[in-house]
Amino acid sequence: DIQMTQSPSSLSASVGDRVTITCRASHDINIWVAWYQQKPGQAPKSLIHSASRLQNDVPFRFSGSGSGTDFTLTISSLQPEDSATYFCQHYNNYPISFGQGTRLEI
Amino acid sequence: QLRLVESGGGVVQPGGSLRLSCTASPLHVNVLHWVRRAPRKGLEWVAAIAPDAFSKYFADSVKGRFTISRDNSKNAVYLQMSGLRVEDSAVYYCAREAHSSGYAGAFDVWGSGTVVIVSS
Repeated sequence: DIQMTQSPSSLSASVGDRVTITCRASHDINIWVAWYQQKPGQAPKSLIHSASRLQNDVPFRFSGSGSGTDFTLTISSLQPEDSATYFCQHYNNYPISFGQGTRLEI
Repeated sequence: QLRLVESGGGVVQPGGSLRLSCTASPLHVNVLHWVRRAPRKGLEWVAAIAPDAFSKYFADSVKGRFTISRDNSKNAVYLQMSGLRVEDSAVYYCAREAHSSGYAGAFDVWGSGTVVIVSS
């Protein structure tokens, strides 16, 4: 099974800052990574698939990169509404797995 | 905009059973997944079912206890949970797969979730 190791586990930043969250896969997973945002009491929201492709209606300040085993989610200019927990996910094969999550406080 | 609606959650004793439902229209062309999030924990993928209902996949943590099925005529997917444990307590989400690696997929639409509490 493939494990996703996400860091940092928590992060504090200010409006306008640029932040980066990383995920490392235990095996080569090509580009098969997605990123999700979850706010308290809400369902997850899909942000990125195929490592770097934005889902519809996701602001352009979100971007993803990487391939193989190392992946990043970058938020270029933080907004107050970006306060949330972020998860990476691999979907190279089954079982699918998620990273442990990064709690972002603004 | 597609909406997924889960139902069937509740409080059950350890060892008990529950059936969760997820409905939306249309669903018959997509792989559907169940994902859960326990209190103070992260997201955990639970199960998936192909559009033809033939291929099914389960996390090791639920294999042998949970089953997944779908009724495309009702645009519904079901998660039958038995042998429930305290550690199965979580918000359960259904999610639509929209992007595939050819083996598994990423999700584009999520339901709002249904709460399952396993407690004596």
